[in-house]
Amino acid sequence: EIVLTQSPGTLSLSPGERATLSCRASQSIRSRYLAWYQQKPHQAPRLLIYGASSRAPDIPDRFSGSGSGTDFTLTINRLDPEDSAVYYCQQYGRSPCTFGQGTKLEIK
Amino acid sequence: QVQLQESGPGLVKPSETLSLTCTVSGGSINSHYWSWIRQPPGKGLEWIGNVFYSGSTNYNPSLESRVTISVDTSKKQFSLRLTSVTAADTAVYYCARGPDLEWFPADNNWFDPWGQGTLVTVSS
Repeated sequence: EIVLTQSPGTLSLSPGERATLSCRASQSIRSRYLAWYQQKPHQAPRLLIYGASSRAPDIPDRFSGSGSGTDFTLTINRLDPEDSAVYYCQQYGRSPCTFGQGTKLEIK
Repeated sequence: QVQLQESGPGLVKPSETLSLTCTVSGGSINSHYWSWIRQPPGKGLEWIGNVFYSGSTNYNPSLESRVTISVDTSKKQFSLRLTSVTAADTAVYYCARGPDLEWFPADNNWFDPWGQGTLVTVSS
């Protein structure tokens, strides 16, 4: 199965700054079949991005995804304290789909 | 909008069978895959498997020998059975919807929306 490695493990930034989260795959992900999710404490994950760069409905344009092959990035502009959460990437290019271990984003 | 709600026992004894149901409201159960995903306390996410409204299924090989996922379109529900559970199966179990296959190729498998999740503890 494809292993996804996310970095950094924890990211601490200030409101208004930009966050750059990385997701690296153990093998190339076909068709850019990669999604990003946001999970806040005691909540279910929420889809942010699918197809590496397509925003899910009602997701602000501060959130953007990019990348292909084995390297993907989630960028969050103009950070808001409500962006504090754990962010997961997920690949669905090869079954079974798999998730990264998550990046915790702290906004202080 | 579509909402999903998990239901089932919160405590299961070791070696017994875990059974959960997900009820879909506010939308059609057709033309989507419906998945189960779990998250052990403090850990990451693991896809368990999915079912199409027609009844066809796909499972994670790591769990395939113990998992059955089924669908009841008349009730707009789909269900998970996991046999021979151990403490390692303790997790929050989520149900989730895959993309609308009238708009996306059938091999697309992201998840939106998710149910709120239900904690299942395996303990005697």
